Amino acid sequence: GNSVTQMEGPVTLSEEAFLTINCTYTATGYPSLFWYVQYPGEGLQLLLKATKADDKGSNKGFEATYRKETTSFHLEKGSVQVSDSAVYFCALSYQGGSEKLVFGKGTKLTVNP
Amino acid sequence: GAVVSQHPSWVICKSGTSVKIECRSLDFQATTMFWYRQFPKQSLMLMATSNEGSKATYEQGVEKDKFLINHASLTLSTLTVTSAHPEDSSFYICSAARTVNNSPLHFGNGTRLTVT
Repeated sequence: GNSVTQMEGPVTLSEEAFLTINCTYTATGYPSLFWYVQYPGEGLQLLLKATKADDKGSNKGFEATYRKETTSFHLEKGSVQVSDSAVYFCALSYQGGSEKLVFGKGTKLTVNP
Repeated sequence: GAVVSQHPSWVICKSGTSVKIECRSLDFQATTMFWYRQFPKQSLMLMATSNEGSKATYEQGVEKDKFLINHASLTLSTLTVTSAHPEDSSFYICSAARTVNNSPLHFGNGTRLTVT
């Protein structure tokens, strides 16, 4: 079946530290891959996405590359800020579009000044 | 600002009662909305796809008589948890897309349901 596994949290970093949140997936076919972010008190927001192998999604300094050979979509940011504190969800879409999503469990990130 | 509004943000009810949760798309029409459920420290689980003007499509293992979905207009979908029990306590989230395929989903802020 389709599933997403992402690293357990919580993750606590100091400002300007490097961030990596690992995400691997299992899927039939060629899913699209997403990272969603949920800031405190808000709904999930799309952070970035990639629709095919070797695509790199990027937004707000975050990046993730669709690696088919390792079935991974790790999220990275070179220098985190306090405002990046949120819960991050890795997800895949198994119907080609962005509607039917399978989510990972979420990783809570706290960035301290 | 938010483009999908979900109400209420939290609700506490007694066992045996029913609870209705609303999901509205604020500045676009959504022929399809999605309802998710999230248990503590677990991922969001898709419960059902809500289609305007037709019956909802439920995921395997989700009781359709327990979780009634009504999508009566292009901007409103409701989820009613009928005869709620403590095990129904969870975080319920809706989402909607402007168009089918290749449109980003917009999520509501979620509803925390506690059944006592």
